[in-house]
Amino acid sequence: GAGVSQSPSNKVTEKGKDVELRCDPISGHTALYWYRQSLGQGLEFLIYFQGNSAPDKSGLPSDRFSAERTGGSVSTLTIQRTQQEDSAVYLCASSLYGGQSTEAFFGQGTRLTVV
Amino acid sequence: DQQVKQNSPSLSVQEGRISILNCDYTNSMFDYFLWYKKYPAEGPTFLISISSIKDKNEDGRFTVFLNKSAKHLSLHIVPSQPGDSAVYFCAASGSTTDSWGKLQFGAGTQVVVTP
Repeated sequence: GAGVSQSPSNKVTEKGKDVELRCDPISGHTALYWYRQSLGQGLEFLIYFQGNSAPDKSGLPSDRFSAERTGGSVSTLTIQRTQQEDSAVYLCASSLYGGQSTEAFFGQGTRLTVV
Repeated sequence: DQQVKQNSPSLSVQEGRISILNCDYTNSMFDYFLWYKKYPAEGPTFLISISSIKDKNEDGRFTVFLNKSAKHLSLHIVPSQPGDSAVYFCAASGSTTDSWGKLQFGAGTQVVVTP
């Protein structure tokens, strides 16, 4: 595709339910990132995939959060037993090689609302 | 802890004048800095970057200045145009294993360019 695609664009879920957010990166990009932006806050790093290397999960806020990247392409971010504080815009980005000096292209985000 | 800080949440500037956005960082291991621009309901888009081996980088109306000793960078937009109205995020990354590829973002500055 032309850019990073995320689905759904909006998700409303009940507290305690599990949700899955999907990211389709730009074809050929080896690096994929997940960030989230809570209301009035900056972008918070969650997880980073680079090729076949073990992902950098240092930003995941709790063990309710997990992410996988299948076949080096599509990624799914899963939040189990959602809480109200999980409400945020979840942004996915990809870059050609990862690391420094590589421009990251962002998707439009998934707005998650936990009620 | 917030390693990248944008202390001005908003900035209003008249069309044609200069916009100056500031960003401070605390981690001396950061050596690559980026500015992203974000419109509502869209993902951030890359604007301009600078490596720590430089103190200035210019791209059209946009110039980024880096003062390593002060751990400070700024983005100048001149002349400002109504289409520049957006949220601007400062981001930084480092060359150490635990920070490579992981962008740390500031909270953003909302710029409004008035006619």
